[in-house]
Amino acid sequence: AQTVTQSQPEMSVQEAETVTLSCTYDTSENNYYLFWYKQPPSRQMILVIRQEAYKQQNATENRFSVNFQKAAKSFSLKISDSQLGDTAMYFCAFMKHVGNTGNQFYFGTGTSLTVIP
Amino acid sequence: GAVVSQHPSWVICKSGTSVKIECRSLDFQATTMFWYRQFPKQSLMLMATSNEGSKATYEQGVEKDKFLINHASLTLSTLTVTSAHPEDSSFYICSATSDKKGTQYFGPGTRLLVL
Repeated sequence: AQTVTQSQPEMSVQEAETVTLSCTYDTSENNYYLFWYKQPPSRQMILVIRQEAYKQQNATENRFSVNFQKAAKSFSLKISDSQLGDTAMYFCAFMKHVGNTGNQFYFGTGTSLTVIP
Repeated sequence: GAVVSQHPSWVICKSGTSVKIECRSLDFQATTMFWYRQFPKQSLMLMATSNEGSKATYEQGVEKDKFLINHASLTLSTLTVTSAHPEDSSFYICSATSDKKGTQYFGPGTRLLVL
C-alpha cells in the first residue's frame, strides 16, 4: 500500500523568508504523480504544484518549487518570499494509475503553515 | 479553467432526513469524480470514486447504502446522505479529474450539520 508522510504538523515562517515543507512516500510503483495542495481557512483545496515521477527536473511555479528525490522517495515543497496569503494547511499527495480508467490518490496528514508578519 | 462547484455550501437538517450534495465541473468534462470527508484539522478521507455511467467504488468502511453516489453525466455527480444522523455532520468535498495526469480539481466543500 502507498503511504504519504508529512512529519511536520505545524510550521511558521516570517514574511518574506523561505520555508520548506517535507513529504515522504512509500511505493513500489515506478510511474506516478506527486502533488502539493493548499487549503486556506476558506477550506477550498487549491493545487500548488505537480510533479511527474518520470521527470527528473523539479517542478516550479513562481515562488513554489519542489525538491523531488525519487530514490529517496522524498518530495519537499519550498516556498520563497513567503506571503501572508500563504498561511494555510498544505497537503502532499501521491497518485498512481489503476487499470485503464482509474487513479488512486493518497494524501498526507497535512502541515499547517503560518506566515508571521 | 478547471473549476468545480458544489451546492449547497451549507446545509442544516434534522436527524432522519436525506441530504443531496451536487458537484459540477463547470468548464471541463470529468471522467472521474471523488468524494471526500474531512474532519476539523484532519486530512481528507476518501469516501468513494465514481466514473461517469458506472457504479461508484466505495472505500472500506463507507456504507454505500448510506452515502448514495450518482455520476449521471460527465459534469455532474451527486452525493446523497440518507437518513442523516448527527455523526454524519462533517465537511464534504468533491473533486474531479479529466486527464491521465490525474490532477484533481476540488469543489469548495459542503458543511453538513445534522441536528
